[in-house]
Amino acid sequence: SSELTQDPAVSVTLGQTVRITCQGDGLRTYYTSWYQQKPGQAPLLVVFGRSSRPSGIPDRFSCSTSGNTASLTITGTQAEDEADYYCSSRDSSGAHYVFGSGTKVTVL
Amino acid sequence: QVRLVESGGGVVQSGTSLTLSCAASGFSFSNYAMHWVRQAPGKGLEWVALISSDGGDELYADSMKGRFTIYRDNSRNTLYLHMNSLGPDDTAVYYCANNGGSGYSKYFQFWGQGTLVTVSS
Repeated sequence: SSELTQDPAVSVTLGQTVRITCQGDGLRTYYTSWYQQKPGQAPLLVVFGRSSRPSGIPDRFSCSTSGNTASLTITGTQAEDEADYYCSSRDSSGAHYVFGSGTKVTVL
Repeated sequence: QVRLVESGGGVVQSGTSLTLSCAASGFSFSNYAMHWVRQAPGKGLEWVALISSDGGDELYADSMKGRFTIYRDNSRNTLYLHMNSLGPDDTAVYYCANNGGSGYSKYFQFWGQGTLVTVSS
């Protein structure tokens, strides 16, 4: 079972903003990273740390954390952002890496 | 550019063993810790194991500890995962990924395309 909790699905209208949340005790200590996965593809790192993005990731992706809840925000959502999104961090002991159960983002 | 290519997957019988490989190129492999992550069909991501850059330290998910062994050969830029006593619940795509960041901010920076392991009962 995952120690990080995510909502299973969320929908967003094209061009609007969507926020995906991730809850877990370890998030009070360790930064969260976020991954996008499209069908048949490997996961892709989109945001990490305070709100850093790898080269090539659009600046419409950002993240934040408050207490035990981390959020991924997509501002001005595009059709190509439709995908599964996973959060990841470490458990409260720091000894293990964990993933959230994933959130399916549908762009209407 | 960074390239991670997994191999060694296939269909195996329950109770048998299998070793996966991950060939790395495009970055200084020996400077990075490396992970294995798996994904059962239609399910989410599950962290499997981590090995330090020099191979001296290993961490495992509790459900895999004692059955799986992660190791590496820095002279060949290759990461391995040896899996024993495989069962149907081990059926998954297995990905390798390098560890980015440090301290309280570590992440799975680059991923391979994965190799599918199917365990038949």
